[in-house]
Amino acid sequence: GAVVSQHPSWVICKSGTSVKIECRSLDFQATTMFWYRQFPKQSLMLMATSNEGSKATYEQGVEKDKFLINHASLTLSTLTVTSAHPEDSSFYICSASRAGDDQETQYFGPGTRLLVL
Amino acid sequence: DAKTTQPTSMDCAEGRAANLPCNHSTISGNEYVYWYRQIHSQGPQYIIHGLKNNETNEMASLIITEDRKSSTLILPHATLRDTAVYYCIVRDPDSWGKLQFGAGTQVVVTP
Repeated sequence: GAVVSQHPSWVICKSGTSVKIECRSLDFQATTMFWYRQFPKQSLMLMATSNEGSKATYEQGVEKDKFLINHASLTLSTLTVTSAHPEDSSFYICSASRAGDDQETQYFGPGTRLLVL
Repeated sequence: DAKTTQPTSMDCAEGRAANLPCNHSTISGNEYVYWYRQIHSQGPQYIIHGLKNNETNEMASLIITEDRKSSTLILPHATLRDTAVYYCIVRDPDSWGKLQFGAGTQVVVTP
């Protein structure tokens, strides 16, 4: 159990377009979902925390109007990168905390690689 | 800022136990120690977590010192597929589940 999926696994887009990434908990309900970004040879950086039915909480330095997060249900969160630019090219990873788990262990998706041309 | 210190890299032989150290000298009484690993180009994988007591599951064992200022993750029989970056993370239960990743330890298992 505790499987998290992401779609798409990779995407290439033109500069100025918007890209939507989906994160789904497949076999459990997630109390909270998180979005991370990872640049090459660097560690994961938390971007935002998302709870179902409420606005996401963004980390310092992350533009909420550029990275739109929608948490429509207990199993789905989406991240939309609006007006993407080459510097937004990165590995985007989501995670989900399973409801009822001791200490809300996070389970991660496989990641989405974004390349903006 | 990450609250943990880990060696940058480690090599270990296939079939042998891999012992991964982590220092967390400023850990608070209610903070848990979590271990994740990330195989190249994949999302992190949960391994194990603990508070005070040693823990063991099908993947690994976690040994936490009595003063809780350090811990060791033990992979009992390393395989080539265990090659990954291993992250030791101290999590504040009042932080809404946030995880702050440090640089981790790059573990390379060699034949």
